[in-house]
Amino acid sequence: DIQMTQSPSSLSASVGDRVTITCQASQDISNYLNWYQQKPGKAPKLLIYDASNLETGVPSRFSGSGSGTDFTFTISSLQPEDIATYYCQQYDNLSFLTFGGGTKVEIK
Amino acid sequence: QLQLQESGPGLVKPSETLSLTCTVSGGSISSSSYYWGWIRQPPGKGLEWIGSIYYSGSTYYNPSLKSRVTISVDTSKNQFSLKLSSVTAADTAVYYCARHRNPGTSDYWGQGTLVTVSS
Repeated sequence: DIQMTQSPSSLSASVGDRVTITCQASQDISNYLNWYQQKPGKAPKLLIYDASNLETGVPSRFSGSGSGTDFTFTISSLQPEDIATYYCQQYDNLSFLTFGGGTKVEIK
Repeated sequence: QLQLQESGPGLVKPSETLSLTCTVSGGSISSSSYYWGWIRQPPGKGLEWIGSIYYSGSTYYNPSLKSRVTISVDTSKNQFSLKLSSVTAADTAVYYCARHRNPGTSDYWGQGTLVTVSS
């Protein structure tokens, strides 16, 4: 099974800062990587699919990159409403979907 | 607008079977473009995929849960269901149903339902 290692587990940044989260797969998953945002008490929300594609309606300050085993998620200018936990998720094959451990983003 | 709604008991006794249903509205569960899945989240922890189903009935399960999980679909009711047998306290979690496209990307989610396993 494919393991997803996400880092950091938490971070604190100021409004307007650039925030970067990384996710590493235990084997090559091509670009089969999604990023989700989860706010407290809410269901996750899809932000980025296929590693770098912005979901419809998601602000352009969110972006993703990478392929193979190493992936990056970026918030170009952190906003107060971006406070949430972010998860990567691989879908190299439907027989086993796996999530990263999550990154909790807070405002400094 | 597609909506998914989980329903089922919020409290299950240890060793019993957890049963949840997801009702899909605003779209057909029989669409050949999508899969339908269950994901759970223990309190204060991360997300865990449980399994997914295609409208035809083909199923895919998390290997760590496979021996205890059954997912089924009822196209006449536009619903799919989850059964998890022999539950323990470790199965206490918020359970989400979701639509998958392409096929591992969850683009629509239910609001989630907390299931507590306790005597």
